[in-house]
Order: sequence, then structure tokens, then C-alpha cells
Amino acid sequence: DAGVIQSPRHEVTEMGQEVTLRCKPISGHNSLFWYRQTMMRGLELLIYFNNNVPIDDSGMPEDRFSAKMPNASFSTLKIQPSEPRDSAVYFCASSLGVNTGELFFGEGSRLTVL
Amino acid sequence: TQLLEQSPQFLSIQEGENLTVYCNSSSVFSSLQWYRQEPGEGPVLLVTVVTGGEVKKLKRLTFQFGDARKDSSLHITAAQPGDTGLYLCAGALGGQNFVFGPGTRLSVLP
Repeated sequence: DAGVIQSPRHEVTEMGQEVTLRCKPISGHNSLFWYRQTMMRGLELLIYFNNNVPIDDSGMPEDRFSAKMPNASFSTLKIQPSEPRDSAVYFCASSLGVNTGELFFGEGSRLTVL
Repeated sequence: TQLLEQSPQFLSIQEGENLTVYCNSSSVFSSLQWYRQEPGEGPVLLVTVVTGGEVKKLKRLTFQFGDARKDSSLHITAAQPGDTGLYLCAGALGGQNFVFGPGTRLSVLP
């Protein structure tokens, strides 16, 4: 079975440009998470959804970041406008939606903002 | 300030040695997970511990959850080069909000 699929794997853009990251969770999983990983701050939760509904977006850095989950098989994380400090690896993860459930991570999208 | 602290931050050992890495917090967690992450990939779950004092074994890896559910340890016996990676602990704060520690980067030299 396919795991969590993220695209693009790598993106290099210039400051001020819009960036859209995409995620397809594992079929049947009820919860979807967006994380950001940097050397300085480690793995940080940005937002998570249960049954396509945003539950906790307190980790979203600022209004430049937005996330949507229009259906159970697709989510986007958008940064507009992007800044150099947004450079990081962005991970999408999904789970079955139980409190002790395993998080299944995608391979990540490495974003570089020049 | 990190809610979860991990130590050591870096560890480089020879194949065959034993090692222990630690995950500590002042917060109580309903459950705690350990993940291993290899370069260019996402973290992969190793174990979930739920009960205070719980010990779980996965081949050469032994995981323990502290009695007060605030800390955990991972012990590896006879480390192998394939154990190389970033070891992350993650505590469940409630619901499905998992907070991750900064990780221990392990290098096992042949």
C-alpha cells in the first residue's frame, strides 16, 4: 500500500513568492498533521485535522501560513508570501485517529526560500 | 524552551557497544512514542508506551516509561551500523497533539 505522499520533494523559491505543499494521506486514516523540521527548532506541529476539520492550528507561525483539507485524501499547506526563515523540511503525517495511534510520515518537502 | 529534552544530543559509538538515550520532561504524558528518522526520510515509529513503569523490548532495543510518565529511556544492546539515525521521542499532550523532542543523533561506526 502507498504511504503518505507529499509533493514537491524539493522546492527552491524567492522571497515573496507563494508556496503550496501537497499531501495525500493513507487511505482510511482520519487524522492529518503538518509538521516543520529545522535544525534549530526540531520537529514542530503546525496544524492537525480530524475528519477534514482543523482541530489545532496554534502552531501555525503567522497569517502567511494557511492549510486546507478539502476532502479525506488531500491537504495543502500554503505560505504566502514566503520568507527565508520559512526554509525547512515540511512533513505531512496521517494516523487512524486514536490517541495512542502511530503517526505515518511522508518523505517531506524540503523548502528553500532565497 | 523545549517541552521535551533529549540527551545526549549527539552520540558516536563503535559497533557492538551498548548505549542509552534519555527523554525528559516536567510534564506528564498520557503516552510516549519513540521514532527513528534516517536522512531524507520521515520519522518511523519504533514503540508506544502508555503505562507508568512500562518496559517494552524490540529485538536489541529496550524502552522504558518512567513511573510518573514524565520521562523515558531507550537502551540499545550491541549497536550496529543500521541503528544509525535520529531518535525522537514524542509525548501525547491530549487528543492527538504530540510534541516532539529535539532528538538524539546516533552514529554507529563499523
